[in-house]
Amino acid sequence: NAGVTQTPKFRVLKTGQSMTLLCAQDMNHEYMYWYRQDPGMGLRLIHYSVGEGTTAKGEVPDGYNVSRLKKQNFLLGLESAAPSQTSVYFCASSYRAGRDQETQYFGPGTRLLVL
Amino acid sequence: GNSVTQMEGPVTLSEEAFLTINCTYTATGYPSLFWYVQYPGEGLQLLLKATKADDKGSNKGFEATYRKETTSFHLEKGSVQVSDSAVYFCALSDPWSSASKIIFGSGTRLSIRP
Repeated sequence: NAGVTQTPKFRVLKTGQSMTLLCAQDMNHEYMYWYRQDPGMGLRLIHYSVGEGTTAKGEVPDGYNVSRLKKQNFLLGLESAAPSQTSVYFCASSYRAGRDQETQYFGPGTRLLVL
Repeated sequence: GNSVTQMEGPVTLSEEAFLTINCTYTATGYPSLFWYVQYPGEGLQLLLKATKADDKGSNKGFEATYRKETTSFHLEKGSVQVSDSAVYFCALSDPWSSASKIIFGSGTRLSIRP
């Protein structure tokens, strides 16, 4: 099993450009998440999904959109990139809610630089 | 709301030293508690967890005990190695909340000198 994979690993964008980050998991997990990691701030939840075809906003959703058309994939879109979106983006997945089910498994991250 | 506070880093120790990284939490109900570790250039991975009061999570020589009376989940290791150099995140989850969202602390960078 590959676990959680993310593409691309690194990307440089100019302000105003758009891009899509892809997350894929092969563990048949119901829940998927997108986080951003900034120095000194830990991880902040951008959007999440509790199943195919569903998405919801997290703590810092502005400037991002997501889609979960297939259970194994969770896409994060930036429609018009801004320098404030320079960050490292992590995808994670978990089985479902409930005690002992909620451990999240993380991808290796995507480093994004917006100039 | 739920929150996690952990000691600021960086923490620098010599090999074979004793490690403690403090973590306290604020939560309603009965959260699960986690320590995640992030090695350089990698994503986070679960180090250990505890799901109820007085539980002790352990893995790779690390331990943490769920202390409800002090709302703490301190990470300890008796003898650290250079390979333990990483960023450590304390976290909590309300397992019955929507999507079991995890709240992370800000992370503590640990560096071990040979």
